[in-house]
Amino acid sequence: SQKIEQNSEALNIQEGKTATLTCNYTNYSPAYLQWYRQDPGRGPVFLLLIRENEKEKRKERLKVTFDTTLKQSLFHITASQPADSATYLCALDGDTPLVFGKGTRLSVIA
Amino acid sequence: DVKVTQSSRYLVKRTGEKVFLECVQDMDHENMFWYRQDPGLGLRLIYFSYDVKMKEKGDIPEGYSVSREKKERFSLILESASTNQTSMYLCASRPSGGGFSYEQYFGPGTRLTVT
Repeated sequence: SQKIEQNSEALNIQEGKTATLTCNYTNYSPAYLQWYRQDPGRGPVFLLLIRENEKEKRKERLKVTFDTTLKQSLFHITASQPADSATYLCALDGDTPLVFGKGTRLSVIA
Repeated sequence: DVKVTQSSRYLVKRTGEKVFLECVQDMDHENMFWYRQDPGLGLRLIYFSYDVKMKEKGDIPEGYSVSREKKERFSLILESASTNQTSMYLCASRPSGGGFSYEQYFGPGTRLTVT
């Protein structure tokens, strides 16, 4: 069955550094991969999506890569700020409902 | 501003009660979803619907049912609430893909406590 893993349950990082979150998957060939942000007690909010034939996508301080050979996506936040502290979810998009990872809780320490 | 609304932010029910969670979207999306989210378990799909009067089981449908009589409204029903259904419930909607990927819009969530 499909399996999606986000490598860390929690990640602490110093303000100003680049945060890198990892999403790995098996038994699946998604055409797209999406990333969401979730704040405590609230629903996830969409951030970015990347197609299988795109290597990299950027939006302001966010960068996503998608390696279909490694079956991995990396999500980077450059110049991280305390306001970036949240849980980040990756989601695979194929022919079925989105398959979500459990998320990585990022804490940016001032 | 696009919106998914849920009928309650917090709900407390007793064991055995029938519970209705309502979700409304104003974006004319074909697809609607119900998830529950528990610490350490992530988002788990309960039911989804691709069209009016249509429903599909997700990963954990046991103990739940759904209703979609109108395109904008998707209801989750707990026929006889149990304490293990205490959770955060999230509704979401999304347009149909047509070969493309679209973002999914989530509601604010309903934190249900069953005592």
